[in-house]
Amino acid sequence: EVQLVESGGGLVQPGESLRLSCVASGFSVSSNFMSWVRQAPGKGLEWVSVIYTDDSTYHGSTYYADSVKGRFTISRDNAENTLYLQMNSLRTEDTAFYYCARHAVSMVYALDVWGQGTTVTVPS
Amino acid sequence: SYELTQPLSVSVALGQTATITCGADNIESKSVHWYQQKPGQAPVLVIYRDTKRPSGIPERFSGSNSGNTATLTISRAQGGDEADYYCQVWDSSTVFGGGTKLTVL
Repeated sequence: EVQLVESGGGLVQPGESLRLSCVASGFSVSSNFMSWVRQAPGKGLEWVSVIYTDDSTYHGSTYYADSVKGRFTISRDNAENTLYLQMNSLRTEDTAFYYCARHAVSMVYALDVWGQGTTVTVPS
Repeated sequence: SYELTQPLSVSVALGQTATITCGADNIESKSVHWYQQKPGQAPVLVIYRDTKRPSGIPERFSGSNSGNTATLTISRAQGGDEADYYCQVWDSSTVFGGGTKLTVL
């Protein structure tokens, strides 16, 4: 079964760090573009970061939303088939539900598989 | 950056047809995807590449894309269709619309 399971969320103070994990099953994270998407309480979906495939075309490139650039780092461990999001210098506005999701190349990069999400809370 | 505009809310009578729009400059040049999100659940892809339905999505869900507007159409609306709906495009990275809350009356 194709599945994503996130973990690592929690309550942290402003300025602190947190690392989210997303374990994939049924497919390889190294063979797919993978994204983190977040949703603040009562708000819409906000794309956070993407990591491309590590091949001669895309070279594992990473991109970030302006709101997290310089503070968050996306990475993956191919052996563990796991996607990560390292979040540093957390702010109250980073409070959200964080989802990892797979981009389907055959679907023009639609997000066809989503995890159940993990909550990050940064109190004011 | 590319921006997608959706109405905040749409209402539809039970059994009737709901249309949710997603507006952007020359959006017809891009592939638009649509997601359904019910309370407390992760989003689910319901339309990809403007008009395609993933496996398991009812035929009542359809999409179109022309000019500056992409549209998600839900025929014979049911109570179970009540949800937030988001459009999305790939523009070097992922861009989401602000979301539309669908109410079935």
